[in-house]
Amino acid sequence: AQSVTQLGSHVSVSEGALVLLRCNYSSSVPPYLFWYVQYPNQGLQLLLKYTTGATLVKGINGFEAEFKKSETSFHLTKPSAHMSDAAEYFCAVSDQRGGADGLTFGKGTHLIIQP
Amino acid sequence: GAGVSQSPSNKVTEKGKDVELRCDPISGHTALYWYRQRLGQGLEFLIYFQGNSAPDKSGLPSDRFSAERTGESVSTLTIQRTQQEDSAVYLCASSLGVGVEWEAFFGQGTRLTVV
Repeated sequence: AQSVTQLGSHVSVSEGALVLLRCNYSSSVPPYLFWYVQYPNQGLQLLLKYTTGATLVKGINGFEAEFKKSETSFHLTKPSAHMSDAAEYFCAVSDQRGGADGLTFGKGTHLIIQP
Repeated sequence: GAGVSQSPSNKVTEKGKDVELRCDPISGHTALYWYRQRLGQGLEFLIYFQGNSAPDKSGLPSDRFSAERTGESVSTLTIQRTQQEDSAVYLCASSLGVGVEWEAFFGQGTRLTVV
């Protein structure tokens, strides 16, 4: 079984400030970890993913995330927020390499950017 | 096509009516997933198809829900005798089997409103 916890259903930051969205997971096997972004009335777009290798992964739009096995975390960061980053962000885990259970998602974090 | 296509994009139906949602996966993708996203919630796994294998229906919430897929092409999700709690965005995703480069590609979803 696997699960994902995203701390904070809403996060508000000022434009230009650091963005930090928290994600903790549980998995019985080494996980694959994902961050997706969802803009209003759109589907999910993959921001970045961790499968194997380097634990710091870089994604699109200046986002990056670090896999920390000891903390079972995969927090998403961006050094400087932009107004266009306002969206819903979902962390997800897969422990079957995309098999029958596909992805297990967190409940999402709504990122608000203050001008 | 270039991406996962879902239709209709929006559907309003009366309580008790049946609805059919369609998903066209990316050509060549062997795996197809349906998820449900209720307002303010994360994504809930519904059903998974992998090639010609029997689908994993473990996520379907009731026997009013069913899905079909012909080979590795179009899938339809049918909800019979719709209820207000069925109101949600239904997202479809496809992927190229399993493996280290596994990634799910999502459509834009069908927003279902039961009135």
